[in-house]
Amino acid sequence: RKEVEQDPGPFNVPEGATVAFNCTYSNSASQSFFWYRQDCRKEPKLLMSVYSSGNEDGRFTAQLNRASQYISLLIRDSKLSDSATYLCVVTGTASKLTFGTGTRLQVTL
Amino acid sequence: EAQVTQNPRYLITVTGKKLTVTCSQNMNHEYMSWYRQDPGLGLRQIYYSMNVEVTDKGDVPEGYKVSRKEKRNFPLILESPSPNQTSLYFCASHRLSYNEQFFGPGTRLTVL
Repeated sequence: RKEVEQDPGPFNVPEGATVAFNCTYSNSASQSFFWYRQDCRKEPKLLMSVYSSGNEDGRFTAQLNRASQYISLLIRDSKLSDSATYLCVVTGTASKLTFGTGTRLQVTL
Repeated sequence: EAQVTQNPRYLITVTGKKLTVTCSQNMNHEYMSWYRQDPGLGLRQIYYSMNVEVTDKGDVPEGYKVSRKEKRNFPLILESPSPNQTSLYFCASHRLSYNEQFFGPGTRLTVL
């Protein structure tokens, strides 16, 4: 089983739609969780951290479910500019980050 | 401006010709890493360093070397590149106290 698993997609959604991605992780001792965004052939950039209490940043909401070992990302009112690959990242011991393979989102007119 | 820089951005080389990809960060981060990204496999860590003179293997270290003589620099060395090292490479850094990684712009390497 992969340490971090994501549905590769693509998720094709119309502008204005709400879309959600899940990511599961295998190591119950994982400590920190993040969502990164990566545009085609560019470097990944931090979208948001994921806290136990959940967190929201504008149209984006991230949640953590430790019991079921998954994190989620919800995007409301999708924009064309949201089209990208979203990477789930989990941190274990020694500050090592493990990346999922990413979920591709395509927002269309 | 806080950043991670990598050079070169693009490189085409031939099998067996030693090469070095440089990485530098100006944020005084302790932790630096090298990743390679391949279709369907995501980002895989090659080597990492938690401080000067401290380096350790990641998930795919074979065929690579690194050094950390200064806190800001973390070069990746391919002593004898092979075609299976054709990939997109990212250098990244972060503080030990917080795991947000900052990535360099990437180096696209092709080994013929």
